[in-house]
Amino acid sequence: TQLLEQSPQFLSIQEGENLTVYCNSSSVFSSLQWYRQEPGEGPVLLVTVVTGGEVKKLKRLTFQFGDARKDSSLHITAAQPGDTGLYLCAGETDSSYKLIFGSGTRLLVRP
Amino acid sequence: ETGVTQSPTHLIKTRGQQVTLRCSSQSGHNTVSWYQQALGQGPQFIFQYYREEENGRGNFPPRFSGLQFPNYSSELNVNALELDDSALYLCASRGSGPGTDTQYFGPGTRLTVL
Repeated sequence: TQLLEQSPQFLSIQEGENLTVYCNSSSVFSSLQWYRQEPGEGPVLLVTVVTGGEVKKLKRLTFQFGDARKDSSLHITAAQPGDTGLYLCAGETDSSYKLIFGSGTRLLVRP
Repeated sequence: ETGVTQSPTHLIKTRGQQVTLRCSSQSGHNTVSWYQQALGQGPQFIFQYYREEENGRGNFPPRFSGLQFPNYSSELNVNALELDDSALYLCASRGSGPGTDTQYFGPGTRLTVL
């Protein structure tokens, strides 16, 4: 069974602080995606990483795919209240047609 | 907006009843997947349809079934509802071919089983 473990589950920080969310697995993924989900909405894709060691930046968000393609991290610099939401990582394997999601990290950024 | 729509937005049913949820894919997308997201959890894959055929299924019992129509819209049917079926049901569409790996999620249908 392929599992993706996310940590932490909950994070409450002050505006301006930095944070890192981790996504770990014992399985190898051909790609890994990060989503953000707002209440009452479906997940919205932030980024897809496909190459081991790959780093992608999206404004204040930095995404990294582990060298072995088993883990990933999301780092947010100078968090803002608008970053509040549920962050989900999801992996896809070469032979699979489905996304395997982590349980999510619920982030609250206080003004 | 992703161009994927779902109906209804919310639904309340009682145990033992049957329910049909609907999804309209983004234009040109011939693949649709359905996910179940329980409260506080990540989405769990139910099944995927490609050109009206089921081509993958997750760990869900047969009372979860689906259809995809020629216009690529889709339905999720759940029979003999159980309390644990209460969840947000998401559909996601994608195209096929190079550069079409991204799945676009709809806003979901919140199902409550009493």
